[in-house]
Amino acid sequence: DIQLTQSPSFLSASVGDRVTITCRASQGISSYLAWYQQKPGKAPKLLIYAASTLQSGVPSRFSGSGSGTEFTLTISSLQPEDFATYYCQQLNSYPLHFGGGTKVEIK
Amino acid sequence: QVQLVESGGGVVQPGRSLRLSCAASGFTFSSYGMHWVRQAPGKGLEWVAVIWYDGSNKYYADSVKGRFTISRDNSKNTLYLQMNSLRAEDTAVYYCAREDHGPGGPDAFDIWGQGTMVTVSS
Repeated sequence: DIQLTQSPSFLSASVGDRVTITCRASQGISSYLAWYQQKPGKAPKLLIYAASTLQSGVPSRFSGSGSGTEFTLTISSLQPEDFATYYCQQLNSYPLHFGGGTKVEIK
Repeated sequence: QVQLVESGGGVVQPGRSLRLSCAASGFTFSSYGMHWVRQAPGKGLEWVAVIWYDGSNKYYADSVKGRFTISRDNSKNTLYLQMNSLRAEDTAVYYCAREDHGPGGPDAFDIWGQGTMVTVSS
């Protein structure tokens, strides 16, 4: 199985901050990585797929990069609606594990 | 509009069974692989199972293998999850999700249902 390790698991930031979340895979997964945002009581929402492709309708302040084993999700200027939990997911091979999540809270 | 709606959740005793359904609308259901993902209270996301667009292949997480069965009825645009021998640790919100795929394989889960809660308790 391919395991994903997200860091940090918790992040406190202010509106307007630049935020970076890292996801490391236990073995190479090329660019088969997606990022999701989840707010309390809601289903996850797709932000980024294929490591760096922005899903339609997602604001351009979100970006993804990386390949192989190390990936990042960056929010260029944090907005009030961005306070949520973020998950990475590998889609290289079954089982399609998710990372443990990063909760972004207001400082 | 494109939509997934889960149903069938509830409270069930350990060792009993439950079947979840996921009704799809607004897209050609028979063209997409479909997944179940669960989330225990206060915990992260856990992938559970996948079924290919035509039902030809199915894969499961180790935690549910041998107890859960994923299936689909493309004539009814509906996905199912048959859950047997339920345990307390199966307590979670269960989501169905559509797999978006590119030429190289799955890209992401682009459409999610609202989730249905399953509680396993005596």
